[in-house]
Amino acid sequence: DAGITQSPRHKVTETGTPVTLRCHQTENHRYMYWYRQDPGHGLRLIHYSYGVKDTDKGEVSDGYSVSRSKTEDFLLTLESATSSQTSVYFCAISSRDGNYGYTFGSGTRLTVV
Amino acid sequence: GEDVEQSLFLSVREGDSSVINCTYTDSSSTYLYWYKQEPGAGLQLLTYIFSNMDMKQDQRLTVLLNKKDKHLSLRIADTQTGDSAIYFCAEKGAAGTASKLTFGTGTRLQVTL
Repeated sequence: DAGITQSPRHKVTETGTPVTLRCHQTENHRYMYWYRQDPGHGLRLIHYSYGVKDTDKGEVSDGYSVSRSKTEDFLLTLESATSSQTSVYFCAISSRDGNYGYTFGSGTRLTVV
Repeated sequence: GEDVEQSLFLSVREGDSSVINCTYTDSSSTYLYWYKQEPGAGLQLLTYIFSNMDMKQDQRLTVLLNKKDKHLSLRIADTQTGDSAIYFCAEKGAAGTASKLTFGTGTRLQVTL
């Protein structure tokens, strides 16, 4: 989607290695989110941010950390990747309280072997 | 936590109407959403409805909300092959910056000729 990009689009990594996924927005939105999508589970919130250096955990945060040093960038790090973290990861942004919905990026397909 | 449920699969013939259903548990939901996901893409917001409304129409899309039964539906009139996708229902809880979207597992809509 215009205004939000995720990188990389695809990644294969080995168990135990650190991995960082990047979300970049040009909309100057305050709120940013990381979700993972898995069959049978829909989308589950990993972490979210409500401003620079302000982040909080979602429902499936174990094994993940995030950082937001600039408004436009929200990084998701898998400290030591495991096969259970094989998934499609989506970043989303919203203005203010998100009442009018989120805008999603195109996703990163991560495979941990 | 709050729960949002959808059936996994729906098949309809081209030209017929599709009805995708969703139930949720959060009695303090403020907004409810329908998103569409095409293969290999992110989620695209189709429409949303405020919890004090019971119906919203937008071209071929009709959203019905039964707040008493916590039931949301999306009707697509004159379904086309381009409507084949996964449709996600989502809800936003009580007003405030701490409230995030909770997504259902998604309904895969297959449109046959």
